[in-house]
This record gives sequence, C-alpha cells and structure tokens, in this order.
Amino acid sequence: DGGITQSPKYLFRKEGQNVTLSCEQNLNHDAMYWYRQDPGQGLRLIYYSQIVNDFQKGDIAEGYSVSREKKESFPLTVTSAQKNPTAFYLCASSLRGGDTEAFFGQGTRLTVV
Amino acid sequence: GESVGLHLPTLSVQEGDNSIINCAYSNSASDYFIWYKQESGKGPQFIIDIRSNMDKRQGQRVTVLLNKTVKHLSLQIAATQPGDSAVYFCAENRLSGNTGKLIFGQGTTLQVKP
Repeated sequence: DGGITQSPKYLFRKEGQNVTLSCEQNLNHDAMYWYRQDPGQGLRLIYYSQIVNDFQKGDIAEGYSVSREKKESFPLTVTSAQKNPTAFYLCASSLRGGDTEAFFGQGTRLTVV
Repeated sequence: GESVGLHLPTLSVQEGDNSIINCAYSNSASDYFIWYKQESGKGPQFIIDIRSNMDKRQGQRVTVLLNKTVKHLSLQIAATQPGDSAVYFCAENRLSGNTGKLIFGQGTTLQVKP
C-alpha cells in the first residue's frame, strides 16, 4: 500500500530528553512537512522540505530539528530546548510544493512526563 | 500578521440540511487552496481543492467557492450526514519566492444533529 507512516503513535518523554519522531512515505513525493497541533487548535508548520538535503523553517521551528537525507524519510527531533513539547505531531507529503494536495500520516501524540 | 482564519469555531446543523463553512485568507498571492476534514485523533483527510484561476469546484456532495476579491473561501456540504461531524480546515499555498508551503487555519467544528 502507498502512503505515509508515522511512528510511534504515542510517545512519552521525560523533561530534558530529546526525542525523534519518524515519518516515512512511499508515494515518491518530493515535499514533506511537519505540523504541530494543540487541543482545539489548527495546524502550525514546524519545518518543511521541498527536496532531498534541503529544508526550511516554518512558523514555530524553535526547539525542533529535522533532516532530509532520503526522499522517503523526514524525521523530526524534539529537543530539550522546546519549552512546551506536549502536542499532536502530524507529518505530510505532497508531490511537489504547496500547490499540490498534501497527504497526512495518522500522527504521533507526544507527552512530556 | 498574515493568517488563514475561519469565521466560526463551531457550526451546528440538522441532519439533511446544507452546511456552509467559511474561511478568510490574507495573502492575495496564494494560488491554491484545500479543504481538509479531521476526525478526532486522526490525520486530516483531503476533501476538495481549488486553484486561484477558478471560482467554483464541485465534488461529491461538496462545493468549494473562491472569492479572490474579498479573499474568502467557503465549503458547502449538501445534505449533511452524521458522518460529516468533524473539524474542517482550510489551507492555502503561501508563496515565498519560487516555493510554497501549506498554511492552515484554526478549524471549524461541524456538529450534525440527528
């Protein structure tokens, strides 16, 4: 099946620890995105990548880092510098940039304990 | 600052009625818009899209209208069903140089009463 897969679905982290969220797609899409969603809120863009080995900051990049070493993978690291990391994280991909439909994964719910 | 926003946080409709969900955007250069549906605990699902060279696009039971003059987007759902209950987001392709990024609004919760 073609699609976009996020793992894990639920993640617990202790304060002060870095954690990496996985996002993989087999749709042969060039563009990939990470969004953060807080309860009752919209999606806010963290980072996006239009092509392998290139990525740009979104609106709330502080405390996060990404890499795009392979076309199919776009992992997100939530660092200890992120002051309020508890949220629902969504990864998406699209054939090219923002002018094509983005397909979403099922999300990772991160809780800091 | 620039934003993509929705007029109402919650919309309650009777089953069988038509629903209209509105969205205002502020970037006149945006050239592509999408409506998504999100059910609780899941990722958003594509509903319908429209490019800026169009005013209207129809799908199955859904219609999107784009008014570029007032920078307004709407989603119309015909004969609303209980399964339509969800949060609906509009998104715009916000251009920056030669690249674009999808920016989302806050969402409208649609509640369908039986």
